[in-house]
Amino acid sequence: AQKVTQAQTEISVVEKEDVTLDCVYETRDTTYYLFWYKQPPSGELVFLIRRNSFDEQNEISGRYSWNFQKSTSSFNFTITASQVVDSAVYFCALSEARRDDKIIFGKGTRLHILP
Amino acid sequence: DAGVIQSPRHEVTEMGQEVTLRCKPISGHNSLFWYRQTMMRGLELLIYFNNNVPIDDSGMPEDRFSAKMPNASFSTLKIQPSEPRDSAVYFCASNGGTVEAFFGQGTRLTVV
Repeated sequence: AQKVTQAQTEISVVEKEDVTLDCVYETRDTTYYLFWYKQPPSGELVFLIRRNSFDEQNEISGRYSWNFQKSTSSFNFTITASQVVDSAVYFCALSEARRDDKIIFGKGTRLHILP
Repeated sequence: DAGVIQSPRHEVTEMGQEVTLRCKPISGHNSLFWYRQTMMRGLELLIYFNNNVPIDDSGMPEDRFSAKMPNASFSTLKIQPSEPRDSAVYFCASNGGTVEAFFGQGTRLTVV
């Protein structure tokens, strides 16, 4: 069965520190997709990144980077030089795309960036 | 494109009343999802449609909840009768062409 675990419920760091959000997933499928979404205080859900199971290359987008490791079933998200605007709830999600389009979310990590 | 459009944005209703939430997916998207977000349970998938057909409704909490998608541009989620424990933010999302889902702004439902 699909499952996404975000063990960190809440994290607080001081601005400009680096922070890593952990995500561990479970799936029986060999073809799947992983996602990260951001939910700022305004409440909307914003898509950040998608990764497919055949592409283990790490990705960097500005201050954001993602580390995908199939060996440990992890898809971690690092924010470098954090800023107050990064304060949000971050969700990791999984889709077993060969079965259907269903996307299952982890419980989320609430990130506080302190000025 | 305007994105996924949900209405109303906020709904306050009395226990026992019928509530209907509405969603217009992104044009051309063929999958539509209804999620519920609460502090206790996080983001739960209630039901999703593909090409207007319900594929998986195993997340619908009970018979008081029903969802329809009469055409490719409209879906409803109905709760009848509503109960205080239904209070939550309900999100609609759609995808098509790519696997990531794009979310509406959500409907904050309060049942008193």
